[in-house]
Amino acid sequence: GNSVTQMEGPVTLSEEAFLTINCTYTATGYPSLFWYVQYPGEGLQLLLKATKADDKGSNKGFEATYRKETTSFHLEKGSVQVSDSAVYFCALRNDKIIFGKGTRLHILP
Amino acid sequence: NAGVTQTPKFQVLKTGQSMTLQCAQDMNHEYMSWYRQDPGMGLRLIHYSVGAGITDQGEVPNGYNVSRSTTEDFPLRLLSAAPSQTSVYFCASSYGRQRANYGYTFGSGTRLTVV
Repeated sequence: GNSVTQMEGPVTLSEEAFLTINCTYTATGYPSLFWYVQYPGEGLQLLLKATKADDKGSNKGFEATYRKETTSFHLEKGSVQVSDSAVYFCALRNDKIIFGKGTRLHILP
Repeated sequence: NAGVTQTPKFQVLKTGQSMTLQCAQDMNHEYMSWYRQDPGMGLRLIHYSVGAGITDQGEVPNGYNVSRSTTEDFPLRLLSAAPSQTSVYFCASSYGRQRANYGYTFGSGTRLTVV
């Protein structure tokens, strides 16, 4: 069946550091891939998505590239800010959406 | 453009009480789902619906009922509240599988405490 595996947290970085959160998936067919962000006390918000191989999704300085050969969709940001502290969820969708367990990110000033 | 609206935002129940969490969407989405999120945990699917009149169980359905009489509304009923149901509940909606390139839209959540 379909599944998503993402790196366990928490991840703690200093402001302006480079961020990578790893995400790999198992799926039949050609799923769409997503990153969601959940700020404290809020619901999940769509951060970015990619719908086919080699597509790059981007938003708010975050990027992720759909790599079919490695079944990965790693989230990256070149310079994180304190305001990026949140929980990040990787997800895939063929029909119903499947989420990873989430990675908590702490950014220190 | 309201999106997904959940009410109430906060609720305290006594053990054994029943209540209904409301969820409404105005995007004409076919799919609707209920999740619970415990502290420090990911999302667990309770129930879902792929259209009006159709519902199915997720991974943690015990103690909860749903119905989908209209496209817009998907209420979640707690039959007899237990402390183990203390959690944050999220409703989400989406287009159907023909538009799987769209993600799910989430409500802002209901924070439920059972004492």
